[in-house]
Amino acid sequence: AQRVTQPEKLLSVFKGAPVELKCNYSYSGSPELFWYVQYSRQRLQLLLRHISRESIKGFTADLNKGETSFHLKKPFAQEEDSAMYYCALTRGSTLGRLYFGRGTQLTVWP
Amino acid sequence: DAGVIQSPRHEVTEMGQEVTLRCKPISGHDYLFWYRQTMMRGLELLIYFNNNVPIDDSGMPEDRFSAKMPNASFSTLKIQPSEPRDSAVYFCASSFFVSGGQGELFFGEGSRLTVL
Repeated sequence: AQRVTQPEKLLSVFKGAPVELKCNYSYSGSPELFWYVQYSRQRLQLLLRHISRESIKGFTADLNKGETSFHLKKPFAQEEDSAMYYCALTRGSTLGRLYFGRGTQLTVWP
Repeated sequence: DAGVIQSPRHEVTEMGQEVTLRCKPISGHDYLFWYRQTMMRGLELLIYFNNNVPIDDSGMPEDRFSAKMPNASFSTLKIQPSEPRDSAVYFCASSFFVSGGQGELFFGEGSRLTVL
C-alpha cells in the first residue's frame, strides 16, 4: 500500500536560515510526488511536482527513489514561507487519487 | 474563474441532523474530489468522480455519508444523521486530465462543520 510520512508536525527556523521539510513515502511502483502549501487564510495549492524539476519561490525537491524521499528545501527561508506544507503521492499509472501526508507547519521567525 | 466554490463555509448543527455540503468545480475540469481534514487524521480522500461518475468511494466512512454529482458543475456531500465525530473541514477539489500524469488539484476554501 502507498503511504506518505511527514515526520515533523511543526518546524521553526529563523529568517535567512536553510529549511528542509521531510517527506518519505512507501510505494513499490513509480509514484508521482507533489508538495502542496496552504498559507494562512488561503486555499491549499500546488507548490511543485517532481516531474517538473522546477524551483518555485526558491523551493526545490528531489525525488530520491533509493531513500524513498521527496524532501522540500530552501536555502534561505523568508517570513512569507510560513505555512502548512503537505507532501502528496499519486500512483503514476493511476489518475485521480492523491495520498497526502499529515502536513508540516513551518514558522519562519524574523 | 472564481475557482472551486464551496458552500456553506461554516456549518454548526446538532447531532442527528442532516448536513449537505455543496461544491461547484472549475468549468472544464473532469475530476472532482471530496477530502476531509482533521487534526487526528490529516487530509483524507473520501470520494472522487471522473466525468460525474464515482470512481473510488472507499474513503467514505460509513453509510451515513453519501455523495452525488448530478452534472459537471455541481456536487454534494451529505451526512445523515450527523455525529460529533464528523466535525472537520471538508474540502472539494477539481482537476483535469493530463496526459501521462496527475493534473494539479485546485481546492475550494473548505466547509468547516461542527456537530454538537
